[in-house]
Amino acid sequence: QVQLVESGGGVVQPGGSLRLSCAASEFSFNRYGMQWVRQAPGKGLEWVSFIRSDGRTQSYADSVKGRFTISRDNSKNTLYLQMNNLRPEDTALYYCVRDGSKHCFDYWGQGALVIVSS
Amino acid sequence: QTVVTQEPSLSVSPGGTVTLTCGLLSGSVSTSYYPSWYQQTPGQAPRTLIYNTNARSSGVPDRFSGSILGNKAALTITGAQADDESDYYCVLFMESDIWVFGGGTKLTVL
Repeated sequence: QVQLVESGGGVVQPGGSLRLSCAASEFSFNRYGMQWVRQAPGKGLEWVSFIRSDGRTQSYADSVKGRFTISRDNSKNTLYLQMNNLRPEDTALYYCVRDGSKHCFDYWGQGALVIVSS
Repeated sequence: QTVVTQEPSLSVSPGGTVTLTCGLLSGSVSTSYYPSWYQQTPGQAPRTLIYNTNARSSGVPDRFSGSILGNKAALTITGAQADDESDYYCVLFMESDIWVFGGGTKLTVL
């Protein structure tokens, strides 16, 4: 069974940085694109970022472009999200998601909570 | 900026049929957007229901179906059950590896 386990969440002050990790197992990580999706408390889902299987291409939502960087280490089966210059509106549960067939999000982790507050 | 629209809330009677839609504020949704649908209950991660417009994800009962209705993507639940009461989200794939979620539909079964 595909497993995605996020870590690295926490409380950070505005302007601060945080790095999320997602450990993947039970599938061939290097064959799949990966995504980050977030959900602010009581709000809907928001797509954040995508990285292709070989790590060479990334894309970002306008709301995080220039502040967040997605990366991956296929030798460690791990996905990352480096978040810089964090804002209160970045407060959310961040889900690591596998990019499935035909551009869907097929497997989801349980999420890592990021709180940006002074 | 692309805006994906969903009904904020809908209700259905147990055993009834309900259709949730997913549209674009500007333009029409087609299969080229690879619409997919997700179900989320409180405190849980989303669950994939439908992808590529009408393909059912593994383990999803066949009372969930996807389609294009007019200029929108649609998720139809036939024979609604109490545990279908959830939030439902659609997402559209844009060019250049960009995805946009709709705001979600809160479905009540009563």
